[in-house]
Amino acid sequence: GQQVMQIPQYQHVQEGEDFTTYCNSSTTLSNIQWYKQRPGGHPVFLIQLVKSGEVKKQKRLTFQFGEAKKNSSLHITATQTTDVGTYFCAGRYGRGSTLGRLYFGRGTQLTVWP
Amino acid sequence: GAGVSQSPSNKVTEKGKDVELRCDPISGHTALYWYRQSLGQGLEFLIYFQGNSAPDKSGLPSDRFSAERTGGSVSTLTIQRTQQEDSAVYLCASSRTTSRTGGSPLHFGNGTRLTVT
Repeated sequence: GQQVMQIPQYQHVQEGEDFTTYCNSSTTLSNIQWYKQRPGGHPVFLIQLVKSGEVKKQKRLTFQFGEAKKNSSLHITATQTTDVGTYFCAGRYGRGSTLGRLYFGRGTQLTVWP
Repeated sequence: GAGVSQSPSNKVTEKGKDVELRCDPISGHTALYWYRQSLGQGLEFLIYFQGNSAPDKSGLPSDRFSAERTGGSVSTLTIQRTQQEDSAVYLCASSRTTSRTGGSPLHFGNGTRLTVT
């Protein structure tokens, strides 16, 4: 069905360690988006991946979309305290006129110890 | 406006009362979502409006919840006979018409924090 699973739910790391969150769908996605929500804030768009096997980087953040367009990951290298927050993936199904709504994963809450 | 505007920012109501939450999306955005988020939890989808299409109401938790979008712009989420379990932050988000490349990003409002006593 149309559901996006995200793991882990929580991740605690020491500053400087790496962090990865994973999203998976049982059916092919048309695209996937990533959002970050700081404590007390609202989700903010980070990036969108559309192509099979696509890899995009934003400074220490690396986003990947699987070859089958069923999974995606966000990897943060050398975490900093400013990376604290909840990271959500959101996938969309369908194409063209059938392109539907976004399905959000449960999110991964990242805590970074100084 | 510069972004998605939600009002009120905070609402405290007594159990059993009705409440209305308002969302002003970014001008020109045809897609509008309502989500609910409890403390420390994920985003619970409530309803999705896309242009003139029939809204996707599959996330509304009960018939006490309803939403409308007038003139393809402002949206109101109404909760009737509020219960304590309705306490949460209600987030609204809008985006431009989805494109061939797969869709536009969502822009979220700051949310309405609802407390039912």
